[in-house]
Amino acid sequence: QKEVEQDPGPLSVPEGAIVSLNCTYSNSAFQYFMWYRQYSRKGPELLMYTYSSGNKEDGRFTAQVDKSSKYISLFIRDSQPSDSATYLCAMSDHEGAQKLVFGQGTRLTINP
Amino acid sequence: GAGVSQSPSNKVTEKGKDVELRCDPISGHTALYWYRQSLGQGLEFLIYFQGNSAPDKSGLPSDRFSAERTGGSVSTLTIQRTQQEDSAVYLCASSAGLETQYFGPGTRLLVL
Repeated sequence: QKEVEQDPGPLSVPEGAIVSLNCTYSNSAFQYFMWYRQYSRKGPELLMYTYSSGNKEDGRFTAQVDKSSKYISLFIRDSQPSDSATYLCAMSDHEGAQKLVFGQGTRLTINP
Repeated sequence: GAGVSQSPSNKVTEKGKDVELRCDPISGHTALYWYRQSLGQGLEFLIYFQGNSAPDKSGLPSDRFSAERTGGSVSTLTIQRTQQEDSAVYLCASSAGLETQYFGPGTRLLVL
């Protein structure tokens, strides 16, 4: 069993929909949780960074962490075609997100 | 400013040959990471350099893989006697100490 599980999709939704992306993990030592966005043939870019449990909001993006369930989510409101990308969750038990452990990534397409 | 750059962008080699992949981190970043992204897989940690400390090589998959970082800046990942299972995208990231990791575009390696 992988340390971090993420449904690879693909996930296809209409423009304007609310998108929910999720990861589960098994290592209770993980304290730092991230979501990266990766466009085709590009490197990942950091979207959200959360420490421990709770919610964090940034514009149309909301990240949630539930450590009791070992479950993290990323919500995208008012989704746009430009949000079409692969979304990777990542986590670490080290401060500063060293040695990140990534999920497989979910490929998302927003249809105009 | 300039981001993380990697070269070559693409590399095709024959099984058994050695390859060298280069990473130029963001100027001033003390930490440098190498990851591997295989088809349909998430990113897999390979090695981590932090300043003048000994590198964390815990993610290197075999002794055919090695990396060095010269002068605290440029890094080279070397794969000796390449195998077909080494085919992947090799991603480099850098960070200012314990901060966010910024990724380069990757080197796409194909071993025939």
